[in-house]
Amino acid sequence: EVQLVESGGGPVRPGGSLRLSCAASGFTFSSYSMNWVRQAPGKGLEWVSSINRVPSDIYYTDSVKGRFTISRDNAKNSLFLQMNSLRVEDTAVYYCARGTPYSPYDYWGQGTLVTVSS
Amino acid sequence: EIVLTQSPATLSLSPGERATLSCRASQSVSNYLAWYQQKPGQAPRLLIYDASNRATGIPARFSGSGSGTDFTLTISSLEPEDFAVYYCQQRSTWPPWTFGQGTKVEIK
Repeated sequence: EVQLVESGGGPVRPGGSLRLSCAASGFTFSSYSMNWVRQAPGKGLEWVSSINRVPSDIYYTDSVKGRFTISRDNAKNSLFLQMNSLRVEDTAVYYCARGTPYSPYDYWGQGTLVTVSS
Repeated sequence: EIVLTQSPATLSLSPGERATLSCRASQSVSNYLAWYQQKPGQAPRLLIYDASNRATGIPARFSGSGSGTDFTLTISSLEPEDFAVYYCQQRSTWPPWTFGQGTKVEIK
């Protein structure tokens, strides 16, 4: 059974940092691109970042470029999102999701809540 | 960036009724469109990919159609568990991979 389990969320002050993790199991993690998608309270879904298998191709939405860094450890079946210089508008539930640029996101984690507030 | 516009924002229907949800793209996405269902407090779940293909385990009452810029998700007869928010997503032109703003299907 495919499982994605996020962790690392919590409250943080504006300008602070957090590192999110996503532990994958039930599939060959190293064979899949992975993604982070966020959802602000009461709002819709927003793609944040993607990383391919190798990783050689990494993408970010414009609003997080220069502040967030996606990475992965294929040996540990783990995906990460390092979030620096956090802003109030980064407050959201962050989901990791499996999917290549050429396929839909077929499995999602349960999400981890990041709250940026003074 | 491709913008996806979903309509209506809210659909009020009764169990057993037919639901028709629309997703319109700002430019052609061919058939590279997916639909997701999200219930409160849960992660999104893939329903339809490539405009018309049901994902694994998705009941036959869910169907998708369309190509280019206009797409439809149809639920033929609403079950109680179908009341949720539905999102479309395109993977034709990226980055970014964009989502629509969602349609809430609520009980009338």
